[in-house]
Amino acid sequence: DGGITQSPKYLFRKEGQNVTLSCEQNLNHDAMYWYRQDPGQGLRLIYYSQIVNDFQKGDIAEGYSVSREKKESFPLTVTSAQKNPTAFYLCASSIDPNRDRRLAKYIQYFGAGTRLSVL
Amino acid sequence: RKEVEQDPGPFNVPEGATVAFNCTYSNSASQSFFWYRQDCRKEPKLLMSVYSSGNEDGRFTAQLNRASQYISLLIRDSKLSDSATYLCVVNTNTGNQFYFGTGTSLTVIP
Repeated sequence: DGGITQSPKYLFRKEGQNVTLSCEQNLNHDAMYWYRQDPGQGLRLIYYSQIVNDFQKGDIAEGYSVSREKKESFPLTVTSAQKNPTAFYLCASSIDPNRDRRLAKYIQYFGAGTRLSVL
Repeated sequence: RKEVEQDPGPFNVPEGATVAFNCTYSNSASQSFFWYRQDCRKEPKLLMSVYSSGNEDGRFTAQLNRASQYISLLIRDSKLSDSATYLCVVNTNTGNQFYFGTGTSLTVIP
């Protein structure tokens, strides 16, 4: 089945530690995204990538880093510089809107998420 | 001003009721509109896209009002299984950013 897989489902970080969240998709989507969701808040964009080897900062990129070496994979590293990392992290993908402007192609599909907590 | 704003609720309605949610957006260049459903501690899932002429999918009806810059979602004959948070999502089609509302919480009561 096609879809987006995030791992791990739960992750605990020690102070000063960097941790990496995995996101893999087999939908052949060009664009991938990372969001953070805090209780009672909407999704906030951390980073997005429209194509391999290219990515852009979102609204809250500080303390995070990403890479896009393969079309299928978009891992997110939460660095020690991120002082309040506890949140629900969601990865999403879509067809690149700049390539196909039909409405249905803008749909984002989400992975099941990773819950990150600080020890 | 936020890109997308929703009334967080909560909306508590009895089974069988009709309930409506509104969502306003600030960018008049916005072109794509969606409603997503998010269950507790789960990922958002697409409920329906919103088309200019309005569209219906079973008990769900979505409307777009470009002049007033809002979209709406109407749920008829509410079921217990409709209890969730409903997210409004907007995209300008000029970039890759999707803007999410904070969500409206719905609880359908037996």
